[in-house]
Amino acid sequence: SQTIHQWPATLVQPVGSPLSLECTVEGTSNPNLYWYRQAAGRGLQLLFYSVGIGQISSEVPQNLSASRPQDRQFILSSKKLLLSDSGFYLCAWSTGTTNYGYTFGSGTRLTVV
Amino acid sequence: GQSLEQPSEVTAVEGAIVQINCTYQTSGFYGLSWYQQHDGGAPTFLSYNALDGLEETGRFSSFLSRSDSYGYLLLQELQMKDSASYFCAEGDSSYKLIFGSGTRLLVRP
Repeated sequence: SQTIHQWPATLVQPVGSPLSLECTVEGTSNPNLYWYRQAAGRGLQLLFYSVGIGQISSEVPQNLSASRPQDRQFILSSKKLLLSDSGFYLCAWSTGTTNYGYTFGSGTRLTVV
Repeated sequence: GQSLEQPSEVTAVEGAIVQINCTYQTSGFYGLSWYQQHDGGAPTFLSYNALDGLEETGRFSSFLSRSDSYGYLLLQELQMKDSASYFCAEGDSSYKLIFGSGTRLLVRP
C-alpha cells in the first residue's frame, strides 16, 4: 500500500534562518507531488507541484523553492525565512492520471519567530 | 483564473442532514473534489464528481452541475465526529487541485 511521510511535525525557526522540509512517498512510482500551505483557519494554497523528477511548477512567487531529487522525494526549502512563512505545510501525492483523490502527509506546523 | 466559493461556517444538529454548497469559476474544469479536515489534521479525500449528478458514498453524497458551475456535499445522519472543515477543490488538465477556503461544520448535540 502507498504511504506518504512528512517531517518534521513541528518546527520553530528564527527569521532569516534556512528551511528544509522533506516528503517521501512509498509504494508507488512516478507520483504527482504537491506542496500546499495553510494559514490558521484558512484554505490550502498550492505552492509547488511536480509531475516528474526535476520538474517543478511554482504557483505563487515567494522566497520558497522546491526540488525533486528522486522520483518519490519532494523537498521544500527557503534560504531565509520570513515571519509570513509561518503556517501548516502539507505535502500530497496523486497518481499521474488523475487530479483528484490526493493523499496528504500529516503536515509540518512551522512557526517563524 | 480559478476561484471557489463556499460558506465559511455551518451549524447543524446531530442526526440531521446538512448541505455544503460550492460554486466555482474556471476554464479547463475537469471535476470537483471534496475533502474533510479535522482540527490539527491533514485533509482526507471524500468524493469526486467529474460528471453531472449525484455520487453517494455511505452517509456522504456529492453533487455536480457543470452548467451551473455548482456542486454540493450532503452529509446525512450527522454525528459529532463530523465536526470538521470541509473543502471543495477543482481540478484541471494539469493534475493540480485548487481548494476553496473551506466550510467549518459544527455539529451540536
